Amino acid sequence: DAKTTQPPSMDCAEGRAANLPCNHSTISGNEYVYWYRQIHSQGPQYIIHGLKNNETNEMASLIITEDRKSSTLILPHATLRDTAVYYCIVRVGTSGTYKYIFGTGTRLKVLA
Amino acid sequence: NAGVMQNPRHLVRRRGQEARLRCSPMKGHSHVYWYRQLPEEGLKFMVYLQKENIIDESGMPKERFSAEFPKEGPSILRIQQVVRGDSAAYFCASSPYRDRGKGDGNTIYFGEGSWLTVV
Repeated sequence: DAKTTQPPSMDCAEGRAANLPCNHSTISGNEYVYWYRQIHSQGPQYIIHGLKNNETNEMASLIITEDRKSSTLILPHATLRDTAVYYCIVRVGTSGTYKYIFGTGTRLKVLA
Repeated sequence: NAGVMQNPRHLVRRRGQEARLRCSPMKGHSHVYWYRQLPEEGLKFMVYLQKENIIDESGMPKERFSAEFPKEGPSILRIQQVVRGDSAAYFCASSPYRDRGKGDGNTIYFGEGSWLTVV
């Protein structure tokens, strides 16, 4: 079973920041948080991942709480093309046996 | 740098036939994952393979489904005697295996999927 819970859906106005929350209260100390998104009928696209520190790349920022029990994915200036299902995943297992278990995700709709 | 390649993109099979889905990982990647996505549902893990070895098949149905990743060539997901309930999108993902201590070397990247329709 997935170790994450996410709201089923969110709306965001175009040009505004989209903040997508994720709870992972049972995460272990060496387990990474990964984010992917899936635009309709396409393969999931990697966005970002992190362990303890906040991370930023050209697509998004990832804010992880100090206790690591939750995180937030931030799309700083959402566009219509960011409309997708966003999956927060805790990668489980050990080196060479990692598994990525997807939950139900958050369906983000960016509104014009 | 080519991404994960899956083929066929669309496959139609009659009930009782066999379906074979192929996945060529990204260059330099030695690990492959298969996922299934039923209509309007999330991705369900099926199997995790490295070359010539199944690492985890806990998500594979016990009957009719099998997967392999030979030393040479693509990974194959094989479904025998397909039924209508097998109609789904099947996604493959690949990763390298180099644990740098930051987890950076194990991010998985997905292909565009193979859509199986059983009629």
